Amino acid sequence: ILNVEQSPQSLHVQEGDSTNFTCSFPSSNFYALHWYRWETAKSPEALFVMTLNGDEKKKGRISATLNTKEGYSYLYIKGSQPEDSATYLCAFKTGANNLFFGTGTRLTVIP
Amino acid sequence: DAGVIQSPRHEVTEMGQEVTLRCKPISGHDYLFWYRQTMMRGLELLIYFNNNVPIDDSGMPEDRFSAKMPNASFSTLKIQPSEPRDSAVYFCASSRRTGFMNTEAFFGQGTRLTVV
Repeated sequence: ILNVEQSPQSLHVQEGDSTNFTCSFPSSNFYALHWYRWETAKSPEALFVMTLNGDEKKKGRISATLNTKEGYSYLYIKGSQPEDSATYLCAFKTGANNLFFGTGTRLTVIP
Repeated sequence: DAGVIQSPRHEVTEMGQEVTLRCKPISGHDYLFWYRQTMMRGLELLIYFNNNVPIDDSGMPEDRFSAKMPNASFSTLKIQPSEPRDSAVYFCASSRRTGFMNTEAFFGQGTRLTVV
């Protein structure tokens, strides 16, 4: 079982603020890094799958970057909205195709 | 496709009883994962299958837990005997790999297990 760490554990921001959080993962045996959005009482849903060092992905106001050499990824949300409130999970995939999740960052956007 | 289907959605059982959780992955997906969600540890990977074969079960907490995948469209996670500390939400997820492309995991709705 590999250690995937996310910080901060929770975050409160005002509507309209931009924010970011971090996922740290082992830099060895890297295959892919996933980001998921998990709303309360629902299932996690994938935001991004990144495989290459330097990858940057964007979906609307949400974007992510990847540094496989140093083992971290950032998720950015520009102009947060109340509907962005959710837990954001990152998951590290090894060459053996295990998919290990961090404990998530719980984001609350205050109107 | 209806997505990953788990049953039951909720299960309440008495300590010592056998519990079986079921999962139907998305058709065509060749990877299936079982996770347990707890407040302390978040989403823990219990076991995963590739083409119906268990690949890594190192996350299974103890011998009371077992998982099977008799065919590509069905998997079970069994706890026998169940204990109160097994109470959690259990998620099943499936994904596929196409050549060297890696796809995201699709999750079921989860089974909330309560052992009293």
